[in-house]
Amino acid sequence: DAGITQSPRHKVTETGTPVTLRCHQTENHRYMYWYRQDPGHGLRLIHYSYGVKDTDKGEVSDGYSVSRSKTEDFLLTLESATSSQTSVYFCAISDIPLAGVVDTQYFGPGTRLTVL
Amino acid sequence: AQSVTQLDSHVSVSEGTPVLLRCNYSSSYSPSLFWYVQHPNKGLQLLLKYTSAATLVKGINGFEAEFKKSETSFHLTKPSAHMSDAAEYFCVVSDVNAGGTSYGKLTFGQGTILTVHP
Repeated sequence: DAGITQSPRHKVTETGTPVTLRCHQTENHRYMYWYRQDPGHGLRLIHYSYGVKDTDKGEVSDGYSVSRSKTEDFLLTLESATSSQTSVYFCAISDIPLAGVVDTQYFGPGTRLTVL
Repeated sequence: AQSVTQLDSHVSVSEGTPVLLRCNYSSSYSPSLFWYVQHPNKGLQLLLKYTSAATLVKGINGFEAEFKKSETSFHLTKPSAHMSDAAEYFCVVSDVNAGGTSYGKLTFGQGTILTVHP
């Protein structure tokens, strides 16, 4: 298994509180991604990073921010959690893609977040 | 733009019988295609990957998929189902853009839940 850990693995919080999820990798991969998984939607990309301090939005980025100050860590922050953000969050990593080739993404174990 | 449609939300088979999970994709350029599997309360594991080499791709645990450009399909098959194959399966597409680069942004299908009966 790729060296990816997520913390916490489970969290219950209340509406309006800030929440930060952490993804840590030991593979020295350049690319890191945050997804959310909801029934009937597969996984949807929230934000991704293509290097330290380089991030961009995915398809469902509203209400989320990210930061990457070190290669190994990618943080996802919900500034003010809402019940619609109750979901399972997955981090993924991949290496530098060669021209014309998409590198495989490897996924962490997930964080189950419940917003009451 | 890229998109994926998994044609069946649930598939049920008997142990020892063939498995077919259907996937159609839409892609503007040259797609890379993946199948991932997710066992209950687990993360996603890569089954196999197509990246414009051989159109028949063999993966782990006896699974394989065939890339058919004319049909824009990438169906997943296995000759004989095992109880341990019961899981949710995701078909995934990623475009390489016209400049030949990609940040590896993936688009997931909605998933197919495979049930295997004894």
